[in-house]
Amino acid sequence: DAKTTQPPSMDCAEGRAANLPCNHSTISGNEYVYWYRQIHSQGPQYIIHGLKNNETNEMASLIITEDRKSSTLILPHATLRDTAVYYCIVRDSPGINTGTASKLTFGTGTRLQVTL
Amino acid sequence: DAGITQSPRHKVTETGTPVTLRCHQTENHRYMYWYRQDPGHGLRLIHYSYGVKDTDKGEVSDGYSVSRSKTEDFLLTLESATSSQTSVYFCAISATRASTDTQYFGPGTRLTVL
Repeated sequence: DAKTTQPPSMDCAEGRAANLPCNHSTISGNEYVYWYRQIHSQGPQYIIHGLKNNETNEMASLIITEDRKSSTLILPHATLRDTAVYYCIVRDSPGINTGTASKLTFGTGTRLQVTL
Repeated sequence: DAGITQSPRHKVTETGTPVTLRCHQTENHRYMYWYRQDPGHGLRLIHYSYGVKDTDKGEVSDGYSVSRSKTEDFLLTLESATSSQTSVYFCAISATRASTDTQYFGPGTRLTVL
């Protein structure tokens, strides 16, 4: 799986958009970009994933550059409850029934602090 | 929320004692995983299962065994706990989302080995 680089920490004011960048310059054509977050003492929480196109769900938007070498996770209106460590993970997705384990490799992530 | 529970949530034990952690899921997922999380190491895969009685090792499997006798339960056993196994243990399942498999995690078990 390709390596990712994220800033160690970021601050964001409550109510503003939080834009979390991730570099994955060695990503290959069949690898997806996944984002998870971990709020203190809780299990990692899936946020969103994408391959080439931008994606949006109820939690966030994922913007992937055309060359796929970087991406940005956007939390449109950050709240104090969004304070967490955010992990960008690049991996292929062999499919649920192929018999291949889909191990996730978590790096150190970005610690996002949302403040009043 | 993928219907994953872990028990116990907290445990303190002594070196040399056996410990079993349980992961329970309610949605019939085929793949289940055990990870440990330690400061400075992120999450590391211990073992995983791809079906009843089908398990395989992850990157940090030494000192751990697993069993899966039914779809809903995946057990992690420390045969003789050591202080280096003090950690937070997370169970995960794989579920299909937008045609790809996505892992969802349980709440974790904090294990302290004295």
